[in-house]
Amino acid sequence: AQSVTQLDSQVPVFEEAPVELRCNYSSSVSVYLFWYVQYPNQGLQLLLKYLSGSTLVKGINGFEAEFNKSQTSFHLRKPSVHISDTAEYFCAVTLSGGYNKLIFGAGTRLAVHP
Amino acid sequence: NAGVMQNPRHLVRRRGQEARLRCSPVKGHSHVYWYRQLPEEGLKFMVYLQKENIIDESGMPKERFSAEFPKEGPSILRIQQVVRGDSAAYFCASSPAQGKETQYFGPGTRLLVL
Repeated sequence: AQSVTQLDSQVPVFEEAPVELRCNYSSSVSVYLFWYVQYPNQGLQLLLKYLSGSTLVKGINGFEAEFNKSQTSFHLRKPSVHISDTAEYFCAVTLSGGYNKLIFGAGTRLAVHP
Repeated sequence: NAGVMQNPRHLVRRRGQEARLRCSPVKGHSHVYWYRQLPEEGLKFMVYLQKENIIDESGMPKERFSAEFPKEGPSILRIQQVVRGDSAAYFCASSPAQGKETQYFGPGTRLLVL
């Protein structure tokens, strides 16, 4: 079975500072990896995904993530955050080669302060 | 292009009543997923449907919950005899196919059981 652990439930950061949101996964088979963002009272929007190839993945809104197979991690980074990045961020996995039921982490609440 | 539509956006029910949640996938998408988000938690997979077929309902409670995706019309998640523990946000996602395809999420239905 697959599982996802987001190591930080909340991350406070000042505007224009860099941020890293951590995600580790557990799986005995190959997986695809995703980061979604959820703004208050809204649905989830895809930030980026890793399917194969280059381990550094660039997404929307200046976010990027790096897949590290040996450490089973897929941490999300942004070099300079804005107030508008305040939201809940979810890491998710799905089995590669199968249908894409997503397994989500518990989420990390990013709070950007002026 | 219309995204995934869900209605109602908010639903209030008293214990013992029925709740019907509707999901219209992105036009052309034939795969629908339902997820539940309890307060302060991540999303949990409930059921995966293709047109007229339930493919995986392993995440759905065995009693009181049912789902369908008819040939014509939206997908329906039905909860009979609701209890307070059913209060949650219910999200629908759709994709054009299985495998690598991104899931597109709707805005969710927030169910409150009094």
